[in-house]
Amino acid sequence: DAGVTQSPTHLIKTRGQQVTLRCSPISGHKSVSWYQQVLGQGPQFIFQYYEKEERGRGNFPDRFSARQFPNYSSELNVNALLLGDSALYLCASSPGTQNTGELFFGEGSRLTVL
Amino acid sequence: QQQVKQSPQSLIVQKGGISIINCAYENTAFDYFPWYQQFPGKGPALLIAIRPDVSEKKEGRFTISFNKSAKQFSLHIMDSQPGDSATYFCAASIDTNAGKSTFGDGTTLTVKP
Repeated sequence: DAGVTQSPTHLIKTRGQQVTLRCSPISGHKSVSWYQQVLGQGPQFIFQYYEKEERGRGNFPDRFSARQFPNYSSELNVNALLLGDSALYLCASSPGTQNTGELFFGEGSRLTVL
Repeated sequence: QQQVKQSPQSLIVQKGGISIINCAYENTAFDYFPWYQQFPGKGPALLIAIRPDVSEKKEGRFTISFNKSAKQFSLHIMDSQPGDSATYFCAASIDTNAGKSTFGDGTTLTVKP
């Protein structure tokens, strides 16, 4: 069975540009979460979506937005990129939002902002 | 405000030794405490997890010890192997919603042969 897949794996943008990252959860998983992992730090929660609705938002500016599609895949959008947005963006899926058990992570999208 | 504090930042252990990583949390609403292992270029993978109704959970060489009153939990890796060399993260969440977790800053473990 396929795990959580993310695309693109690497990308380089310049300040002020916009980026869209994509995630496909494990088949049957209805919850998708996005995390930002800056080098040398732990993942920081950005968003959780369940059944196409936002179920949680971390302490990130409005430049960050996301959505979930009917097939449970998800996109993370970041506008007006700043140098500090350079990070590994991780997507994770789970069956639901309570008693979720194991959280499955993808390998991430490495974003570099120049 | 960091709600989950992890220590040490880095750890070097000889093969066969015991690796111990500690975490402390602040929010008493947390009710799910997983540990993740991350290798370079990979996403974190769940290693072992515990809920606060038990004080210890063991899976193979990995043990979580949990102290609810002290708001602390730790990961013990017995008989550490070079293949265990990785970064380890503790995390915590509410309503056992692992998708909305607060992570520690990680411990880089190096096991020397």
